[in-house]
Amino acid sequence: GAGVSQTPSNKVTEKGKYVELRCDPISGHTALYWYRQSLGQGPEFLIYFQGTGAADDSGLPNDRFFAVRPEGSVSTLKIQRTERGDSAVYLCASSQRGLAGITDTQYFGPGTRLTVL
Amino acid sequence: AQSVTQLGSHVSVSEGALVLLRCNYSSSVPPYLFWYVQYPNQGLQLLLKYTSAATLVKGINGFEAEFKKSETSFHLTKPSAHMSDAAEYFCAVTDNAGGTSYGKLTFGQGTILTVHP
Repeated sequence: GAGVSQTPSNKVTEKGKYVELRCDPISGHTALYWYRQSLGQGPEFLIYFQGTGAADDSGLPNDRFFAVRPEGSVSTLKIQRTERGDSAVYLCASSQRGLAGITDTQYFGPGTRLTVL
Repeated sequence: AQSVTQLGSHVSVSEGALVLLRCNYSSSVPPYLFWYVQYPNQGLQLLLKYTSAATLVKGINGFEAEFKKSETSFHLTKPSAHMSDAAEYFCAVTDNAGGTSYGKLTFGQGTILTVHP
């Protein structure tokens, strides 16, 4: 079956603009994670969804960042008033169970490269 | 708080030589540990994971890693490097204390492996 997909693959925007990044997880995966990978760094956790609800959003850097998963499948990461420091690759991952299986394999998408000019 | 340290941001080996990528963790409880590989323009792919069943873990593509609690280490090895192993490798940890961890991963900074003919 298909893996995790993310759109767009690249996004260039201007400082102060609003952007939306989309993640389409593997069908049937209830857990969905967003990570951010800055240049030369490992991915950093942003937010975790179990089903439709955000179970842990402790990694969101500030209130300009918000994510939703209204039907428990596709998720959208939303960034308001973008800043140059938001430039990074945003990764999405999904796994089968999440809460009940914390060692379940997370399958990652290819990422969206966000560049804020 | 958990953390992961990967010693050496770049490792270079000759084809056929031993590959050794180092990972040390810091955690208040014995964690679960993972190695992921990232090929250019691709998503992160799980190589192997330690979930306390066995300290020596075998993964895909001939890689293996050994969990050493006394050394707080989880180094990745492969007896003989192939050109196709050239990629970036990430060590990651998740807290096995259960409850709020939800399986979110804390990654190291990554090690770029170069394989010379």
